[in-house]
Amino acid sequence: DIQMTQSPSSLSASVGDRVTITCQASQDISNYLNWYQQKPGKAPKLLIYDASNLETGVPSRFSGSGSGTDFTFTISSLQPEDIATYYCQQYDNLPTFGQGTRLEIK
Amino acid sequence: QVQLVQSGAEVKKPGASVKVSCKASGYTFTSYYMHWVRQAPGQGLEWMGIINPSGGSTSYAQKFQGRVTMTRDTSTSTVYMELSSLRSEDTAVYYCARLRLGYCSSTSCSGPFDYWGQGTLVTVSS
Repeated sequence: DIQMTQSPSSLSASVGDRVTITCQASQDISNYLNWYQQKPGKAPKLLIYDASNLETGVPSRFSGSGSGTDFTFTISSLQPEDIATYYCQQYDNLPTFGQGTRLEIK
Repeated sequence: QVQLVQSGAEVKKPGASVKVSCKASGYTFTSYYMHWVRQAPGQGLEWMGIINPSGGSTSYAQKFQGRVTMTRDTSTSTVYMELSSLRSEDTAVYYCARLRLGYCSSTSCSGPFDYWGQGTLVTVSS
């Protein structure tokens, strides 16, 4: 199975900050990478697909980049409603998820 | 609008089986593959398997081979996930998740999960 290493595992930032999360694949997965947001008690929500495509209806402050083995997820200006856990997911083969990044407000 | 509505919470004893349902509406049921993902308390997301609602073919994560069965009922637009020989480590929220159209190749059916069920908590306890 392809392993996804996501970092950091937790992050504290202030409203308005730029926030970056990284995900590294154990082998080349091209752009087969998605990002999800999960709020407590809720199902995950798709934010970014195919590494850099913004899902319809998702605010433009969210973005993704990368290809091959190294990927980045960015929130350009953190808002209070962005408090959640974020997961990357690869789909080059059987899907696997990163360990998650818990984002908190400082 | 697309909706995936799952069955309610379950409490099971070790060794028992559980069957979770996921009823789809708002789209053509047989056109979209469905995946199952679980999440243990305070933990991350774990992929379990996939079912093709059209033909009923399935593929399971190796970890669950022999214990999981995914089925579907096209007359009610419902997919099912049954997990047997339950142990305490199976305590988790189980989600169905729809695979976006256009992500099946000759070798795999995986991609972005664009709609999720609300989740079903399965508790395994003696």
